[in-house]
Amino acid sequence: EDQVTQSPEALRLQEGESSSLNCSYTVSGLRGLFWYRQDPGKGPEFLFTLYSAGEEKEKERLKATLTKKESFLHITAPKPEDSATYLCAVYDSGYALNFGKGTSLLVTP
Amino acid sequence: DADVTQTPRNRITKTGKRIMLECSQTKGHDRMYWYRQDPGLGLRLIYYSFDVKDINKGEISDGYSVSRQAQAKFSLSLESAIPNQTALYFCATSSGRASYNEQFFGPGTRLTVL
Repeated sequence: EDQVTQSPEALRLQEGESSSLNCSYTVSGLRGLFWYRQDPGKGPEFLFTLYSAGEEKEKERLKATLTKKESFLHITAPKPEDSATYLCAVYDSGYALNFGKGTSLLVTP
Repeated sequence: DADVTQTPRNRITKTGKRIMLECSQTKGHDRMYWYRQDPGLGLRLIYYSFDVKDINKGEISDGYSVSRQAQAKFSLSLESAIPNQTALYFCATSSGRASYNEQFFGPGTRLTVL
């Protein structure tokens, strides 16, 4: 059973068009929800950790929020350089980060 | 300077060959991990190590072995490479100060097994 489901799989935005990415999780006893950005052929780059429902974190045009069942990554007025795959992950019952399949974001000028 | 480095960055090998992928880190982290990434399957954990004397299997350890030579070095070996081990391989590290911390990833090794 998938613990982490991300939607949509792909998203195309025009520059300046704000939107949100969704990460739903089904793990008991959440021990952190993690957001990463991955550029093609590169390693995932850590963005945020959220631990408690209601928690929010911001970095430049990105804002991550957390509820008891899902997390959202809000992208405000995106730029072409925000184009990447965004991954979310939670720890499983052990010490492995369980990743979703990601949302591939393309921002066009 | 990169905090987590991986060598080689690209490798093409033949079925049956033994190969080693190496990872070094300057973050001072105790915990190190090896993941592989396949299109459509996402990132999956192969092995992890919490210190030099601690090695643990992950979700997909069959066909792989690891060695933690020092706190800063963690190597992944494919004893007899097969084509379905063609993938992107990532090393990651995390601090051991708390049980469940963010992990920091290296740049990856693209491995092709012919």
